[in-house]
Amino acid sequence: DGGITQSPKYLFRKEGQNVTLSCEQNLNHDAMYWYRQDPGQGLRLIYYSQIVNDFQKGDIAEGYSVSREKKESFPLTVTSAQKNPTAFYLCASRPGTINYEQYFGPGTRLTVT
Amino acid sequence: QKEVEQNSGPLSVPEGAIASLNCTYSDRGSQSFFWYRQYSGKSPELIMFIYSNGDKEDGRFTAQLNKASQYVSLLIRDSQPSDSATYLCAVRSSAGGTSYGKLTFGQGTILTVHP
Repeated sequence: DGGITQSPKYLFRKEGQNVTLSCEQNLNHDAMYWYRQDPGQGLRLIYYSQIVNDFQKGDIAEGYSVSREKKESFPLTVTSAQKNPTAFYLCASRPGTINYEQYFGPGTRLTVT
Repeated sequence: QKEVEQNSGPLSVPEGAIASLNCTYSDRGSQSFFWYRQYSGKSPELIMFIYSNGDKEDGRFTAQLNKASQYVSLLIRDSQPSDSATYLCAVRSSAGGTSYGKLTFGQGTILTVHP
């Protein structure tokens, strides 16, 4: 089955710890995105990548880091520098340079206490 | 002014009625417009996209775009309880080059369809 997978579904961490969220896709999509969603709010872009070994900061990149070593994978690290890390994290991908619709993975709900 | 604004909701309609969801955007150069449905606790699911002025129909869903008024709407005909969800409007702006593909999302409108 083609699709976007994110793991784990729920993640709990103590404050001060870094944590890495996984995002994998087998759709052969070029572009990948990370968003966070807070209750009652829309999605805010953290980082995006249009091709392997290239990524750009989105609107709220502070306290986050990413890598794009393979086309299929775009992991997100939430560092201890992120002041309010508890949120629903969504990974998305886009087919190519002509189509602009994005497709989302199931999400990871991160709770930091 | 927010870049993408949706009617605040929540919106409640009876089963079988037409639900109307509205979205305005501030970037006049915006090119592409998307509607996502998000069930509680789940990720957004793309249901419609529209690029040109006018109406686009897909089953019970109709997207309407008016670029002059910077307005896009989603109509759901014959609403069903299973349509109860949060609907997110997303807009691709003209900034960043054509290959960037950044979407800006509204805050969402909660729709409840009651039997």
